[in-house]
Amino acid sequence: QVQLQESGPGLVKPSETLSLTCGVSGVSISGGHWWIWVRQPPGKGLEWIGQIYHSGMSNYNPSLESRVTMSVDKSKSQFSLTLTSVTAADTAVYFCARGYSSRGTYFSCGGDWGQGILVTVSS
Amino acid sequence: DIQMTQSPSSVSASVGDRVTITCRASQGINSYLAWYQQKPGKAPNLLIYAASYLRNGVPSRFSGSRSGTDFTLTISGLQSEDFATYFCQQTNTSPYTFGQGTKLEIK
Repeated sequence: QVQLQESGPGLVKPSETLSLTCGVSGVSISGGHWWIWVRQPPGKGLEWIGQIYHSGMSNYNPSLESRVTMSVDKSKSQFSLTLTSVTAADTAVYFCARGYSSRGTYFSCGGDWGQGILVTVSS
Repeated sequence: DIQMTQSPSSVSASVGDRVTITCRASQGINSYLAWYQQKPGKAPNLLIYAASYLRNGVPSRFSGSRSGTDFTLTISGLQSEDFATYFCQQTNTSPYTFGQGTKLEIK
């Protein structure tokens, strides 16, 4: 059974760096899946942050690209998100997800998700 | 960015009803369209991928279709557990944008 679990601080000060990790169990992080980050401000819709492959190949939302870095740590079976220079607008529930696959085809939509972690940006 | 215009923003329906939710893409996305269900305090749950393919384990009352850049999610025979918010997402062109969501409420 695939499980994803976000971890990291729930409170970050403005102008500082948000760092989250997604632990993956039940599946190899080195498979063919995309590893995805999505966020959702309280009471609002979903925003795709970006995705990364186990090789390190990644693509980010241009609206965040100057501040976002994703990485994969195969030895720990986890992938990470860092977002620099945060403001109150970055307050959101952050979800990690695994891209869906079916019959050997890999998709960029999220098939398995973590429970989400609320990150509040406030002094 | 590709804009996904989802409608309606909310809909009221009764158990047993048939409900249709639509997403229109601002440009061609082939069939790279997914539908999710989200309940309060929970992560989204993938229902439909590639516009019309039902994810394993999702009830057959859910279906998806495509006509050009218009995509439809249909729920036939609403059950109480279906009252939730639904989102579409295009994964054809990065950034992979979501629709604004449709809240399905009990009438």
